Order: sequence, then C-alpha cells, then structure tokens
Amino acid sequence: DIQMTQSPSSLSASVGDRVTITCRASQSIRSDLSWYQQRPGTAPKLLIFSASSLQSGVPSRFSGSGSGTDFTLTISSLQPEDFATYYCQQSYTNPETFGQGTRVEIK
Amino acid sequence: EVQLVESGGGLVQPGGSLRLSCAVSGFTFRNYWMYWVRQAPGEGLVWVSRINPDGSYTNYADSVKGRFTISRDNAKNTLYLQMNSLRAEDTAVYYCAKDLALSDNGAEFDYWGQGTLVTVSS
Repeated sequence: DIQMTQSPSSLSASVGDRVTITCRASQSIRSDLSWYQQRPGTAPKLLIFSASSLQSGVPSRFSGSGSGTDFTLTISSLQPEDFATYYCQQSYTNPETFGQGTRVEIK
Repeated sequence: EVQLVESGGGLVQPGGSLRLSCAVSGFTFRNYWMYWVRQAPGEGLVWVSRINPDGSYTNYADSVKGRFTISRDNAKNTLYLQMNSLRAEDTAVYYCAKDLALSDNGAEFDYWGQGTLVTVSS
C-alpha cells in the first residue's frame, strides 16, 4: 500500500496567517491527490482534487500544488471556520490511502 | 441538493452482524461509483469498499475482505454494507461517499453522509 505522510501533525496559527501543510507519498502518485477538511463531529469535506483543482464552492484562499511524491495545501489567510483537521488522500491506486491528518488549532 | 443519509449503526457483540444503509438523493445514483470509508474514534480515515454504478464490481480493504459485502439498489437509491463476523477493531464511524466523477472510478469523494457509529463490544 502507498503510505501518505503529512507534516506537521498539528499546528497553531492565528486568524489571517498563511498556513502550509505538506503531504508526502511513499511512491509517485502523479497528481492523483485530494485534500479534505474535517471539523469535529462532522463528515470530511472535499477541498482540492487532482492535486490543484479547487472543488466547487470552496473558498479561493485554499490552494493545492505538487506532483509525484510531494504535495502542499496552502490556506492563504486563515479564517475562524478553517480550524479543523486536514487529510490528504491518494487515488492513484487501490487501496486508496489517507494521511494521518493535520490538526489546525487556534493560537 | 445532494444528500447521503446513513443508518443501521449501533452496538453489536464480537462475531455479530450489522447492515448499514445509505439513502441518497439529489443526483442520479445509478451513474456513480460509491464507497464506504470508516474512522475509528480519534483516528484517521480508512477506505473500506467500493462498488461500480451497476453493482457488478466490488472491492474491499484487506482488513474486511471476506467479512463485509457492499451492494446497491439503484431502484431505491440506496447503498448497503453488510458486516459479518465483526471484531472490536471494526468499531468506527462509517461514512458512505460519492465519487466526484460521472461513471468513473476516480475515488475522489465529493459528498459524504453524516456517518453512523458502529461499536463492537461485549
């Protein structure tokens, strides 16, 4: 199985900060990577697919980049509703695997 | 509005069975691959199973293969997960999810249900 490793596992940031989360795959996954946001007690929400495509309805402060093994999710100006856990997920091969998550907390 | 609503979770003893349902609306169910994803308490997300639009192809994580069966009823707009021989490690919130791509197995999950909790304990 392809291992997905996110860093950091958690971070503290303030409203308005620029936040970057990285995701590394154990082998090349081309651009077959998605990012999800999960607020406590709720289902995950798709933010980014195909590494850099913004899902419909998602604010433009979210962006994704990368290909091969290294990927990045960036939030350009953190908003109060962005405090959540973020997961990357590869869809290159079965079984599709997720990163362990990055918890974004209020500083 | 797209909606996915799971039901059927609960407390079950080790070795027992449960059937989860996911009733969908707001899109043409018969045209999409569908999935189950689970999340153990305080843990991350794990893909469990997939099924193609007409139900002729299914696929499972190794951890549930031979014990779980995914199915669908396109006339009822409902996805199912039959879970047998349940173990403590199957305790999780189970989510059904829809593929982003029409008629394609992209495994990008654009809509999720609210989840249903399965607890396996004696």
